[in-house]
Amino acid sequence: DAKTTQPTSMDCAEGRAANLPCNHSTISGNEYVYWYRQIHSQGPQYIIHGLKNNETNEMASLIITEDRKSSTLILPHATLRDTAVYYCIVRVDFGNEKLTFGTGTRLTIIP
Amino acid sequence: DTGVSQNPRHKITKRGQNVTFRCDPISEHNRLYWYRQTLGQGPEFLTYFQNEAQLEKSRLLSDRFSAERPKGSFSTLEIQRTEQGDSAMYLCASSPRQTTNEKLFFGSGTQLSVL
Repeated sequence: DAKTTQPTSMDCAEGRAANLPCNHSTISGNEYVYWYRQIHSQGPQYIIHGLKNNETNEMASLIITEDRKSSTLILPHATLRDTAVYYCIVRVDFGNEKLTFGTGTRLTIIP
Repeated sequence: DTGVSQNPRHKITKRGQNVTFRCDPISEHNRLYWYRQTLGQGPEFLTYFQNEAQLEKSRLLSDRFSAERPKGSFSTLEIQRTEQGDSAMYLCASSPRQTTNEKLFFGSGTQLSVL
């Protein structure tokens, strides 16, 4: 059963911020939100993850709502190389729980 | 490059043949995962190893599939008597075992085509 819901596809103009939403209304208190992306013909790449506080790294920012039922991945200045499928995954962050991927959001950056 | 390495990148085989894929994880990563991905879908978990021990296998991993990780280093995934439905991208990932913040590092995959 899918734990997350994401739009199938989105477009974003090059140089603008890309905001990718994710709904995870059944998230448990000990589940983290992870984001990976997959560029064509490559394996998935880790982007960022968080529990309840907003997170930022060199690739992106993650905004998690206060009730934790949804989150947004923000790519602040999208480039053509950000064109990829973006996966939002919820996962207990210890033990042996594996990453379970959905179908993700296909983000296309428009020149 | 010290990332996860998978070989071959592409494999074309005839139905009924056996195939074997190899994955070399990042050095000192003691967890190794195999995933399968079909067109338009996200990767699906197949199995994973903690060092040389295979700790979990998905129901997707039929008895025609076998994975090994001798000595806890590289891993092989073998498919016997291939079927057309086995055509997919086979992805390998590794991670250092940590109690929190586990990040998986994926290889570029092996694309299998069964004719």
